[in-house]
Amino acid sequence: KAGVTQTPRYLIKTRGQQVTLSCSPISGHRSVSWYQQTPGQGLQFLFEYFSETQRNKGNFPGRFSGRQFSNSRSEMNVSTLELGDSALYLCASSPLAGMSTEAFFGQGTRLTVV
Amino acid sequence: EDQVTQSPEALRLQEGESSSLNCSYTVSGLRGLFWYRQDPGKGPEFLFTLYSAGEEKEKERLKATLTKKESFLHITAPKPEDSATYLCAVQARTGANSKLTFGKGITLSVRP
Repeated sequence: KAGVTQTPRYLIKTRGQQVTLSCSPISGHRSVSWYQQTPGQGLQFLFEYFSETQRNKGNFPGRFSGRQFSNSRSEMNVSTLELGDSALYLCASSPLAGMSTEAFFGQGTRLTVV
Repeated sequence: EDQVTQSPEALRLQEGESSSLNCSYTVSGLRGLFWYRQDPGKGPEFLFTLYSAGEEKEKERLKATLTKKESFLHITAPKPEDSATYLCAVQARTGANSKLTFGKGITLSVRP
């Protein structure tokens, strides 16, 4: 069974640009969550999607947005990039939303803003 | 607001030297407490889910326990390949969402 796939693995962008990251969940999983990981703040929740609907959102500015497609694949977008957006962005998939089943993470996308 | 605190921040052990990693939490109704292992440059790897106080789970040299305020990850006779960052997270029982609140992790180094 294939795991969670995130593309691309690495990105370098310039301040002010925008970026789109992609996540393909485990087959059959319908919930996709996104997290930002930095050395100072650790893993912080960005948002969760289930059945193409955003279920929950963390404390991030509106420059961070996402969406989910009918096949459960998800994308997140960051507009007007800032240096502080440099981080490892992780996607996690779960079978359903709102249940204490384990979330499986992808390898992440390492974003560097210069 | 849900909070998770892990201690110590870093731990260095000799191979075979058993120890415990601590995770203290406050949450508005616990749905589940999760332990993950993360190797450098990789995503977190799921280890355990604990649901209620008194519950214990084991996997190879690892054993996770849960009380109403803390969870411990006990490592028995660790090996160098156990070196990694161990993350603890809680999921609250509020609403139909899967949000995990993470601690900052404990970096474990096991010397041969």
